[in-house]
Amino acid sequence: AQKITQTQPGMFVQEKEAVTLDCTYDTSDPSYGLFWYKQPSSGEMIFLIYQGSYDQQNATEGRYSLNFQKARKSANLVISASQLGDSAMYFCARREGRGGNDYKLSFGAGTTVTVRA
Amino acid sequence: NAGVTQTPKFRILKIGQSMTLQCTQDMNHNYMYWYRQDPGMGLKLIYYSVGAGITDKGEVPNGYNVSRSTTEDFPLRLELAAPSQTSVYFCASSPRVGGAGGYNEQFFGPGTRLTVL
Repeated sequence: AQKITQTQPGMFVQEKEAVTLDCTYDTSDPSYGLFWYKQPSSGEMIFLIYQGSYDQQNATEGRYSLNFQKARKSANLVISASQLGDSAMYFCARREGRGGNDYKLSFGAGTTVTVRA
Repeated sequence: NAGVTQTPKFRILKIGQSMTLQCTQDMNHNYMYWYRQDPGMGLKLIYYSVGAGITDKGEVPNGYNVSRSTTEDFPLRLELAAPSQTSVYFCASSPRVGGAGGYNEQFFGPGTRLTVL
């Protein structure tokens, strides 16, 4: 499996501030997708945002935006105006497969975000 | 619409015992997946299926078996439980999306926490 790297095991952020979570990936495939999932302490996996490799613009979804730098193979998640409910583990994942065959995901090790009041 | 359901939520096994983790989805998704998540780590793919009757190995298939007789169900079988299989198991499903680079979100079940003693 191709590697997904999240270099920040844990981060603290003040409420209402922005935080950036790093993600870099390996790929030899020109067509791929990048996902971010949130896992709160309750354990479920919650989809946040998606970026396709051919998308011309960076993805945004409410307070979540993705800083996609294709040449550098990075897809950093930016959470703006942090809320206490944002405290969770965040996973970056890359979709493998050549579209139409399968859509396996490879996950990074995750970053724990703790929002302070 | 229940989404992806998994049973049981928790289970403790003795070494050498067998069990089946159940997974059902009611979204008529073609693709289904089994992942395991070890403490503090990201998810690793065990097996996946692109449709009824078709399954394939993921990154960590040893010690597990799967079957896919219907679109809805994708059970995961542990034949001889070992302490190394202590983990949280997630089942996921996703729809078939045509074309390379297609957006293909995976929907996750709530997970099964398995302890092997």
